[in-house]
Amino acid sequence: NAGVTQTPKFQVLKTGQSMTLQCAQDMNHNSMYWYRQDPGMGLRLIYYSASEGTTDKGEVPNGYNVSRLNKREFSLRLESAAPSQTSVYFCASSAQVLYGYTFGSGTRLTVV
Amino acid sequence: GDSVTQMEGPVTLSEEAFLTINCTYTATGYPSLFWYVQYPGEGLQLLLKATKADDKGSNKGFEATYRKETTSFHLEKGSVQVSDSAVYFCALSFPNAGGTSYGKLTFGQGTILTVHP
Repeated sequence: NAGVTQTPKFQVLKTGQSMTLQCAQDMNHNSMYWYRQDPGMGLRLIYYSASEGTTDKGEVPNGYNVSRLNKREFSLRLESAAPSQTSVYFCASSAQVLYGYTFGSGTRLTVV
Repeated sequence: GDSVTQMEGPVTLSEEAFLTINCTYTATGYPSLFWYVQYPGEGLQLLLKATKADDKGSNKGFEATYRKETTSFHLEKGSVQVSDSAVYFCALSFPNAGGTSYGKLTFGQGTILTVHP
């Protein structure tokens, strides 16, 4: 099925390690987003890309970097993982917010 | 800044019971409002939306009415099923912010619903 594909689905990192979360969409959407989901806090926006070639900080960008590689792909990088970054990470894309976001199935990251 | 507040959960109901999940928002101006649903192990899906005051969004038996005077967008369903067990998120956005249509979503904390047979 078409949609948003995230890899990996699960990951365990040691404190200080780095990793990149991958996201790709095949719906020709202009906008892409990275959220983290923590219990009792809903989803918080980390970074977003309104269109290819642009990226902007969201609500909780510290400790993360992003790359909009092309229209399809938007990656999230943790340069030096910390236990506070233990979370479920969701990538989403949209043509227009009123049409709804399409979410990936998430990456469950544990930093020990 | 803009924010969304949902009723505390979890909510546990018997099948065929009436459901209400409260949602209120704080925003400068008049946002568009959304309900998203997350089934176990999946990403979020758009359930319904409303773009202006007094609009009623509806889908799959769920309804919510945009109340500007009370800044609320409560989710209701007349008769829940076991398959409705999920996490429900209220959210807001300004679709035309900055002259663009990409509109960042601001989510509430989510409400866990469990429906028993």
